[in-house]
Amino acid sequence: ETGVTQTPRHLVMGMTNKKSLKCEQHLGHNAMYWYKQSAKKPLELMFVYNFKEQTENNSVPSRFSPECPNSSHLFLHLHTLQPEDSALYLCASSQAGGTSYEQYFGPGTRLTVT
Amino acid sequence: DQQVKQNSPSLSVQEGRISILNCDYTNSMFDYFLWYKKYPAEGPTFLISISSIKDKNEDGRFTVFLNKSAKHLSLHIVPSQPGDSAVYFCAASASGTSYGKLTFGQGTILTVHP
Repeated sequence: ETGVTQTPRHLVMGMTNKKSLKCEQHLGHNAMYWYKQSAKKPLELMFVYNFKEQTENNSVPSRFSPECPNSSHLFLHLHTLQPEDSALYLCASSQAGGTSYEQYFGPGTRLTVT
Repeated sequence: DQQVKQNSPSLSVQEGRISILNCDYTNSMFDYFLWYKKYPAEGPTFLISISSIKDKNEDGRFTVFLNKSAKHLSLHIVPSQPGDSAVYFCAASASGTSYGKLTFGQGTILTVHP
């Protein structure tokens, strides 16, 4: 595997379910991110992890719970979601501490909440 | 308040001609700008970036121009190819903020006709 991978690619869940999204980066980066992309809206940053420590929580509801066990893996635990949480969830990684800000994205998980 | 705006939702261009995608920003703290390209069912792919100390950066067929006084940047693609058809996002970062925080525009759909 190369780059940034995300599983599952598609997920349908009911409002009472609990599920998790997984992201893995194979680039040797030390920063990872979760973004949400809703229809016709810009990408919204949700969480930032630098060196496994959460450094940004962009006022995300507590029904989204991130976990970063090491610098290569990132999870987003979902519980009691609402239909308006249906969106494309993107994971990204980058090399913190450098002079550039390029982030490398995974293909995303298309989430539908019924 | 949207700090990065792409006011053209779509752009249609003939193959071989120039494509010009525009982006405006309001936050004067932004000092690094990026363009990403996104195909359907894939994550955004980094294309080209520019620091605020420059006004132009070129990479092959892609050139980004930055006009700091107007808070405006543009991406030129010359010559345009059908494979360039995708959604293009501009993004901005302020080096003084927490690392990795990119603010995205809402995207412009580019269609290049053969």
